[in-house]
Amino acid sequence: GAVVSQHPSWVICKSGTSVKIECRSLDFQATTMFWYRQFPKQSLMLMATSNEGSKATYEQGVEKDKFLINHASLTLSTLTVTSAHPEDSSFYICSARGHSGDSYEQYFGPGTRLTVT
Amino acid sequence: GENVEQHPSTLSVQEGDSAVIKCTYSDSASNYFPWYKQELGKRPQLIIDIRSNVGEKKDQRIAVTLNKTAKHFSLHITETQPEDSAVYFCAASLPAGGTSYGKLTFGQGTILTVHP
Repeated sequence: GAVVSQHPSWVICKSGTSVKIECRSLDFQATTMFWYRQFPKQSLMLMATSNEGSKATYEQGVEKDKFLINHASLTLSTLTVTSAHPEDSSFYICSARGHSGDSYEQYFGPGTRLTVT
Repeated sequence: GENVEQHPSTLSVQEGDSAVIKCTYSDSASNYFPWYKQELGKRPQLIIDIRSNVGEKKDQRIAVTLNKTAKHFSLHITETQPEDSAVYFCAASLPAGGTSYGKLTFGQGTILTVHP
């Protein structure tokens, strides 16, 4: 149980275009989803926290107008990278928490490798 | 906000030796401390976690200790094997309720290499 999927697993796009990444919890309802970015040989950096039916909370330094997050249902959150530039090339990983108040564990998706040319 | 420091950044051991990775955190309100193993290009895998009401937890060759007073926690791997080679991350989480929603702050990572 507790499976999280991401789509696509990798994407190459041209500079200036937008890319949408989907994160789905397949066998549980995720009240909260998190979006991370990981550059090569670095740690995971939280970009934003997404709660179903409300606006995402962005971490300091993350442009909310560039990284659009939508958590439309308890099983789906999307991250749209708008007007992508080469510096946005990175590994984007989502995670999800169940809606049990005592549940601390986060379940990670397999990640999406974004390359902007 | 929470800040997590992890050491060492690289660790090289011989097969069969023990490996220890240490982390410190800054916010005394943090109450959940997971450890993840990440292989290249893959998602982080939870290997063990501990809550603040427990001082030590063990699962076969892996153990985690927590010192709340000193605000540090450690990962111990015994009888290391080549397949333990990976990047290991510690993390800390504030309580899941409230505005933090249980978000994780990660350490910088440790590249563990186990030589046969």
